[in-house]
Amino acid sequence: AQSVAQPEDQVNVAEGNPLTVKCTYSVSGNPYLFWYVQYPNRGLQFLLKYITGDNLVKGSYGFEAEFNKSQTSFHLKKPSALVSDSALYFCAVRDRGNQGGKLIFGQGTELSVKP
Amino acid sequence: NAGVTQTPKFQVLKTGQSMTLQCAQDMNHNSMYWYRQDPGMGLRLIYYSASEGTTDKGEVPNGYNVSRLNKREFSLRLESAAPSQTSVYFCASSGPRTNYGYTFGSGTRLTVV
Repeated sequence: AQSVAQPEDQVNVAEGNPLTVKCTYSVSGNPYLFWYVQYPNRGLQFLLKYITGDNLVKGSYGFEAEFNKSQTSFHLKKPSALVSDSALYFCAVRDRGNQGGKLIFGQGTELSVKP
Repeated sequence: NAGVTQTPKFQVLKTGQSMTLQCAQDMNHNSMYWYRQDPGMGLRLIYYSASEGTTDKGEVPNGYNVSRLNKREFSLRLESAAPSQTSVYFCASSGPRTNYGYTFGSGTRLTVV
């Protein structure tokens, strides 16, 4: 069965420091992988995706993520965190073979960036 | 602006009442989804529609029904609301042009008392 794990409920970072939000996945085939961000009382917004090709994917707002097939991971990173990055982050996976394009989401990681 | 529109944004129901959450997208996407979001549980799929005319159960379908009215619209119905259905509900759509990345609506915050 497909699954996504975000092992940290919360990540705390000082502004200007690098940040990492972790994600590991389990699918039967090659995955599509996604990161979404949710600001308070808002819907989810797309950040970036890995479909194929370069393992380092760049996305919105200076975020990037590295696909590691051997470790089945897709960690979200940013070289220098901003207070405005504070939000809830979701990793999601889709098995390329599944019908209907369903995404399976992780439980979310609350990122808090302090000045 | 193109996107996914959900109505209503907020709703309070009494136990046993019924209601329908509406969702419409204008991106010509084939697939549409309903999720619920609960603290500490992420997003859980209730129902989805891979294409117009089809619907399928997701992870937590009990207590819900759906209708894919046409390609644009996908509604979620609670026939007899229960306090356990207090949640934030999100509709999303996707299509092959975005490699099935989702576009989400802004959500419906439902409270059942």
